Amino acid sequence: QVQLQESGPGLVKPSQTLSLTCTVSGGSISSGGYYWSWIRQHPGKGLEWIGYIYYSGSTYYNPSLKSRVTISVDTSKNQFSLKLSSVTAADTAVYYCARDQDLWGQGTLVTVSS
Amino acid sequence: DVVMTQSPLSLPVTLGQPASISCRSSQSLVYSDGNTYLNWFQQRPGQSPRRLIYKVSNRDSGVPDRFSGSGSGTDFTLKISRVEAEDVGVYYCMQGTHWPLFTFGPGTKVDIK
Repeated sequence: QVQLQESGPGLVKPSQTLSLTCTVSGGSISSGGYYWSWIRQHPGKGLEWIGYIYYSGSTYYNPSLKSRVTISVDTSKNQFSLKLSSVTAADTAVYYCARDQDLWGQGTLVTVSS
Repeated sequence: DVVMTQSPLSLPVTLGQPASISCRSSQSLVYSDGNTYLNWFQQRPGQSPRRLIYKVSNRDSGVPDRFSGSGSGTDFTLKISRVEAEDVGVYYCMQGTHWPLFTFGPGTKVDIK
């Protein structure tokens, strides 16, 4: 069955760019009709939708993060990625990737600290 | 932006007893296609969120039938008919009607008395 796995640095310095990758296994990211999302959860807090990319390549970002976020897809590697620039401690969170809303990765904790 | 609220935020329950969580949206969640894109998620301790209910009342595959969703417009409810120990966690409602921004409620923490 289809599975998602996040990967990337667990520690990022303030003002740098957070970069995460979600690898899709058991199915093709190019198969039509899905959108591929990034969601984050601050420690002990609720869920925040960061943005998503359609299989067609169209992207949508949370307005509160839009100026700092880029989501892209690499179909050759069956992956999609998140870049969040100019990070601060407020970006410390568990980052999840998801397919539509029904399939989620296990999440990866990213800490922003010098 | 659509604001989602939930009540209560904390819900201690007795095993075997029913539980109910309310979710309200600041705008109607009826989409132009006639569907209402209101979903419920469960997040058990230390786990990723899992969708339980989509479009108000449709259970996802593998979700026990003790979970049910109802509501319309701006008011929605998730009910657990008989709480089991594995139901402990945080429950979130989420709207997908007013895309492209999906928004979650603040979450309701369910634990055992």
